[in-house]
Amino acid sequence: AQSVTQPDIHITVSEGASLELRCNYSYGATPYLFWYVQSPGQGLQLLLKYFSGDTLVQGIKGFEAEFKRSQSSFNLRKPSVHWSDAAEYFCAVGITGNQFYFGTGTSLTVIP
Amino acid sequence: DTAVSQTPKYLVTQMGNDKSIKCEQNLGHDTMYWYKQDSKKFLKIMFSYNNKELIINETVPNRFSPKSPDKAHLNLHINSLELGDSAVYFCASSQGNPFNEQFFGPGTRLTVL
Repeated sequence: AQSVTQPDIHITVSEGASLELRCNYSYGATPYLFWYVQSPGQGLQLLLKYFSGDTLVQGIKGFEAEFKRSQSSFNLRKPSVHWSDAAEYFCAVGITGNQFYFGTGTSLTVIP
Repeated sequence: DTAVSQTPKYLVTQMGNDKSIKCEQNLGHDTMYWYKQDSKKFLKIMFSYNNKELIINETVPNRFSPKSPDKAHLNLHINSLELGDSAVYFCASSQGNPFNEQFFGPGTRLTVL
């Protein structure tokens, strides 16, 4: 069965520090890959997506993600975190048949 | 202008009642979705409508019935509410399939007592 795993339920970083959120997927072929962010009390917003091509994808708000086929991973990174980045982050995969699955989410706390 | 709006924002009701949540999008998208987010923040797609036709219908109880009067609206009606239905329900829309950017509404927090 297809699955999306975000191993870290909760991460705390200091403002200005770098960030990496992990995402692993289980699927026979390379799926479409996404990162969404959910700010407190709000809906989700797309940060970036990967379909094919360059494995390093740039997104909004200074985020980037790297697809690594050998590790079935699509980790999200930001070089310097801002307090406004505190939110819930969801990795997601899209596979044939318009199937779309979110991971379990990682909650990010930013310490001033 | 709100892109995807939902009403109500909060909904508190008793077990066994019937309730509806409304969703409207002004983005001109042809596909709309309903998601359920449980207390652990797990987000799962429930339904997807494309041009008013049901495309995805994940395994949800038939007490849940989506209705799409036109491309801009997708309402969710829930019969005989149960405690386990308590969750945040999100409406979303996209152009075409879910692999295009989905725009989410602010959510409706449903509490069943």
